[in-house]
Amino acid sequence: EAQVTQNPRYLITVTGKKLTVTCSQNMNHEYMSWYRQDPGLGLRQIYYSMNVEVTDKGDVPEGYKVSRKEKRNFPLILESPSPNQTSLYFCASSLQGRQPQHFGDGTRLSIL
Amino acid sequence: SQQGEEDPQALSIQEGENATMNCSYKTSINNLQWYRQNSGRGLVHLILIRSNEREKHSGRLRVTLDTSKKSSSLLITASRAADTASYFCATVPNSGGYQKVTFGTGTKLQVIP
Repeated sequence: EAQVTQNPRYLITVTGKKLTVTCSQNMNHEYMSWYRQDPGLGLRQIYYSMNVEVTDKGDVPEGYKVSRKEKRNFPLILESPSPNQTSLYFCASSLQGRQPQHFGDGTRLSIL
Repeated sequence: SQQGEEDPQALSIQEGENATMNCSYKTSINNLQWYRQNSGRGLVHLILIRSNEREKHSGRLRVTLDTSKKSSSLLITASRAADTASYFCATVPNSGGYQKVTFGTGTKLQVIP
């Protein structure tokens, strides 16, 4: 089954403790992206990747890092999480950047 | 205001009625996409309309695009309770950072049985 898998689905952690949210897709998609969703703000793009080793900033990249060492994986790293990064995060992928995206089920992060 | 803003923010209708949601955007686009999100779940793609298209249909969905007004609308005909969800438009720019997809703030639709 074609899917985008995110882990963990839920995480409560404390300020400053490094964390990684993994994202994996099994569709051989070139394009992958991370979004955060906050009430009243819709989805905002954090980072995206056009292909292996090619990443670029979205609209809200501050405080986040990404890497794309393999085509299927696109982890999101919060080196020193802060409470304003408490949000619902989505990973998505598409064949290419202009095409419709497949979304994961989301990761709800709470930073205390 | 944000690129890709939907209105209304919320809409409540009776089953069987039509629901119309609007999306406005600011920059030149390659295409515009509509997505649906059930509460707390990932978004699901519904329909894509290219900048050179004016109207597109998919089942009970009808999307229009007016590039001169930089706006799009999504019409759901003969709504069902199962259509209750949030709906988002997303724009893909025509040039430069075309990989950067911008989502709107969404319309929350409630269909009352």
